Amino acid sequence: LAKTTQPISMDSYEGQEVNITCSHNNIATNDYITWYQQFPSQGPRFIIQGYKTKVTNEVASLFIPADRKSSTLSLPRVSLSDTAVYYCLHNFNKFYFGSGTKLNVKP
Amino acid sequence: DTEVTQTPKHLVMGMTNKKSLKCEQHMGHRAMYWYKQKAKKPPELMFVYSYEKLSINESVPSRFSPECPNSSLLNLHLHALQPEDSALYLCASSQVDTSKPYEQYFGPGTRLTVT
Repeated sequence: LAKTTQPISMDSYEGQEVNITCSHNNIATNDYITWYQQFPSQGPRFIIQGYKTKVTNEVASLFIPADRKSSTLSLPRVSLSDTAVYYCLHNFNKFYFGSGTKLNVKP
Repeated sequence: DTEVTQTPKHLVMGMTNKKSLKCEQHMGHRAMYWYKQKAKKPPELMFVYSYEKLSINESVPSRFSPECPNSSLLNLHLHALQPEDSALYLCASSQVDTSKPYEQYFGPGTRLTVT
């Protein structure tokens, strides 16, 4: 099974940049790295996906080093509404969610 | 329309009941998924359908029976469940591509309680 390691929880304040790092030592050559966000009692929501180097969209940036054994999700200027659980997965045709990081944004 | 709908939102059933969960999407996605999520745990993959055919069964007990009647619909038939099957059941869909994984769109889930 694909296995990722993330911090269990993180605290931040509104307006700060938050970086969540995920370790995926067993990533396969074909695997992509994907991040999802989940609010309580809702389904996960796709944030960003990448294969290598850096990917940026309107919501976040994803940094992947050359060895691809880790990745960092960067959320610029978080707000209270970014309080959620963030999941990292490395996947190709199967989707195994890691334990997730509970981000708590404080005012 | 980028929505995945699931019905019912909540379901309470006894261990001898038979019930079904329904999922629908109109995004033209040809892959559909069932996940189970217990409280404070990540979603666990149960089944994957690709082009209306079951492609992955993650060793799920036979009391859970999936069905994909057409490309827009996905059902999960439930029979003789146990209290430990109580969870949030999530449906998702995505495009299919052999060269890269596509993002999954998740429904809001069905909160199932087995008494």
